[in-house]
Amino acid sequence: QVTLKESGPALVKPTQTLTLTCTFSGFSLSTSAMRVSWIRQPPGKPLEWLARIDWDDDKFYSTSLKTRLTISKDTSKNQVVLTMTNMDPVDTATYYCARTLSGKLELRSYYYMDVWGKGTTVTVSS
Amino acid sequence: DIQMTQSPSTLSASVGDRVTITCRASQNISSWLAWYQQKPGKAPKLLIYKASSLESGVPSRFSGSGSGTEFTLTISSLQPDDFATYYCQQYNSYAWTFGQGTKVEIK
Repeated sequence: QVTLKESGPALVKPTQTLTLTCTFSGFSLSTSAMRVSWIRQPPGKPLEWLARIDWDDDKFYSTSLKTRLTISKDTSKNQVVLTMTNMDPVDTATYYCARTLSGKLELRSYYYMDVWGKGTTVTVSS
Repeated sequence: DIQMTQSPSTLSASVGDRVTITCRASQNISSWLAWYQQKPGKAPKLLIYKASSLESGVPSRFSGSGSGTEFTLTISSLQPDDFATYYCQQYNSYAWTFGQGTKVEIK
């Protein structure tokens, strides 16, 4: 059974750095084609994809947030860590991590986020 | 970034209705699209990937179609459990993006 769980502070102050941890079970990030993504959702707003890390340590970031985001993995602990610098009240959101799978079609890869964590709510306020 | 536009933003329907949600991409994304269902206070749930592939365990009343820039999610006969918000998501580019969501409400 695949599970993911997000953890981190519920409250951060403006300008601080947020560190979130995704702890997962039921799969390994050392296995070929395994990936983990981070997604967030401000209250009452749509989903926003943030970042992805692959089994081979390739990393991908949201265009608008890439200067503030860092994603990393600890394969031995089955964890993925996302840091976001210079937090602002507009970053108040529920943050999700999700296992990301892939397949091949006509020499191109397709992806899908098949199992999600329940999310962790982060409020940015002084 | 590739922009994803869903229509309508809100849809009122009755149990048993056939429901169609449209998602348009700002550029050609081939078949690199997924659909998710989200209920209030819950994490999104994968329904469809690669535009038309049904995720395991998802009822067959859900179907996806389209390619290029226009895609649809169809619910053939709306059930009480289907009242939720639906999002499309593209993964054609390295920076993935979601649509703004379509809320399916009880009529």
